[in-house]
Amino acid sequence: EADIYQTPRYLVIGTGKKITLECSQTMGHDKMYWYQQDPGMELHLIHYSYGVNSTEKGDLSSESTVSRIRTEHFPLTLESARPSHTSQYLCASSPSWGLANNEQFFGPGTRLTVL
Amino acid sequence: RKEVEQDPGPFNVPEGATVAFNCTYSNSASQSFFWYRQDCRKEPKLLMSVYSSGNEDGRFTAQLNRASQYISLLIRDSKLSDSATYLCVVNSPTGGFKTIFGAGTRLFVKA
Repeated sequence: EADIYQTPRYLVIGTGKKITLECSQTMGHDKMYWYQQDPGMELHLIHYSYGVNSTEKGDLSSESTVSRIRTEHFPLTLESARPSHTSQYLCASSPSWGLANNEQFFGPGTRLTVL
Repeated sequence: RKEVEQDPGPFNVPEGATVAFNCTYSNSASQSFFWYRQDCRKEPKLLMSVYSSGNEDGRFTAQLNRASQYISLLIRDSKLSDSATYLCVVNSPTGGFKTIFGAGTRLFVKA
């Protein structure tokens, strides 16, 4: 089992609220990722990080922001939630060693519903 | 054109059948390849890496054809528990080695 955790697992919140989705890994991985996935649809990369103080935007435009102050922690924040943000958010991590031969380990996901 | 393309399916097969999925990738400089499995409403998990020489893990066989830029996954003697979405994943040198997930192929194995 991968040592990567996400909280909360489920969140129902009203429009306009600020929310932070937590992601932590205990594997010492440098690279971390956030994906957005609607039911039955493909994964979309929204943010990633190569290490502490590194954050990059992914392929899918997102109104969320991320921070990477500690290696093990990669929280995602929505300043003002909207119904269009309703989705599943998956966090993943991978090691830096081995160049391109990196397996990504996924957390269990946070299922967000914005009313 | 997407960098990684898969037939979305769904593939509906009876138990015991052999089923094969193909995946094509556009960047010939891609270096590593994987198949992930994602169960309904769960996170993706690595099923197997794909090596140039081909590799087998029990009922699962993965092959890579660099000349034609496709990878394949063969499942023999399908079980009900094989029902899932299978994601083709490619590590591409685009933008400093990005991991690109295909949209997935859905498999339903029925009794």
